Amino acid sequence: DPKIIQKPKYLVAVTGSEKILICEQYLGHNAMYWYRQSAKKPLEFMFSYSYQKLMDNQTASSRFQPQSSKKNHLDLQITALKPDDSATYFCASSQQITEVFFGKGTRLTVV
Amino acid sequence: QQKVQQSPESLTVSEGAMASLNCTFSDGTSNNFRWYRQHSAKGLEVLVSIFSDGEKEEGRFTAHLNRANLHVSLHIREPQPSDSAVYLCAVSIRSNNRIFFGDGTQLVVKP
Repeated sequence: DPKIIQKPKYLVAVTGSEKILICEQYLGHNAMYWYRQSAKKPLEFMFSYSYQKLMDNQTASSRFQPQSSKKNHLDLQITALKPDDSATYFCASSQQITEVFFGKGTRLTVV
Repeated sequence: QQKVQQSPESLTVSEGAMASLNCTFSDGTSNNFRWYRQHSAKGLEVLVSIFSDGEKEEGRFTAHLNRANLHVSLHIREPQPSDSAVYLCAVSIRSNNRIFFGDGTQLVVKP
């Protein structure tokens, strides 16, 4: 059973639209993260949350907004989508500074 | 900004032969190193974590760390075709769980 659930698995969006990527973890972790993997680029850190509070933000654009409605949820809202936003977005979680576990990702294509 | 470089970019080995992957990092204060495996269209699977110089074995996977040389390696004993995947080196500072990834090594294990 996957312990970190990301929905949807695939997503196609129109340029200028807004989408929300869902992430739920059932590992009991208090820290959650978002990473992005674009074509021909390494995985890049985007955000980290601890106890539902933003700890670190490496995303320059305010179009990317994490949303944490519950301790085990960290969704990612992306507004005014651009083709360059096309990537696979990975959610991850950890308990303090121990192992970081990743979900299977949401592959976003912006047309 | 931390730079993580992996070599080789791709590696083909025969089933049963040792596979060796390399990773160099730029920030000498890094103290948390992980190797992940990524099968296509799947999430990341952590293989081995290492925090101090020396070696750490997890089944057929052994990580070697030499922080003075800014180098960490992964050796896969008796690789099997099912080990064919992209292997990612991940480096972080334990007080800050922002992980920096390399570009990956594409491993192909031929029967």
